Amino acid sequence: AQSVTQLGSHVSVSEGALVLLRCNYSSSVPPYLFWYVQYPNQGLQLLLKYTTGATLVKGINGFEAEFKKSETSFHLTKPSAHMSDAAEYFCAVSGRSGTYKYIFGTGTRLKVLA
Amino acid sequence: DTGVSQDPRHKITKRGQNVTFRCDPISEHNRLYWYRQTLGQGPEFLTYFQNEAQLEKSRLLSDRFSAERPKGSFSTLEIQRTEQGDSAMYLCASSSGLQGSKLSEAYEQYFGPGTRLTVT
Repeated sequence: AQSVTQLGSHVSVSEGALVLLRCNYSSSVPPYLFWYVQYPNQGLQLLLKYTTGATLVKGINGFEAEFKKSETSFHLTKPSAHMSDAAEYFCAVSGRSGTYKYIFGTGTRLKVLA
Repeated sequence: DTGVSQDPRHKITKRGQNVTFRCDPISEHNRLYWYRQTLGQGPEFLTYFQNEAQLEKSRLLSDRFSAERPKGSFSTLEIQRTEQGDSAMYLCASSSGLQGSKLSEAYEQYFGPGTRLTVT
């Protein structure tokens, strides 16, 4: 069975500092991998995804993530945090066949300090 | 493309009442998913439709829950005899599948704003 672990339910960074949100997955075969952002009382917006090909993927709002098969990780980074990045971030995996339903991590709430 | 919409956005009900939520997916998407998100948790999969066929249901979906997608377009999620433990955000998502889409985009899910249910 697939599972996702997000280390750190709360992360605080100063404005302009590096953002690093961690995601590790467990799956018998490499899954599809996604990062979503959720603002209060809103649905989820896709930041970026890895399906195949280049392991370093770039997304919206300056975020990027690297798929590391050997470490079963897909950490999300942004070189310089902005106040508008404050939100909750979810890592998700899906299988490469069947229903393609998502398995989500428990989320990381990012706080950006002025 | 107006995105995935859900109605209502908020619902407050008394324990024991029935509630029904509606989801309108992106028009050309044939795959539709329901998830439930409780406070401080990630969304959890409830059920999946491909066109009008309900192909998978989570064990979280007790017999008080029923979902339909009668014409392969909009979907409804009904909860009968609501309990306080049903209080959550109910999220709907859709994806295009492989029809006319690149593989990298085919299984990307687009989420609606959610329906927040409060059972008192």
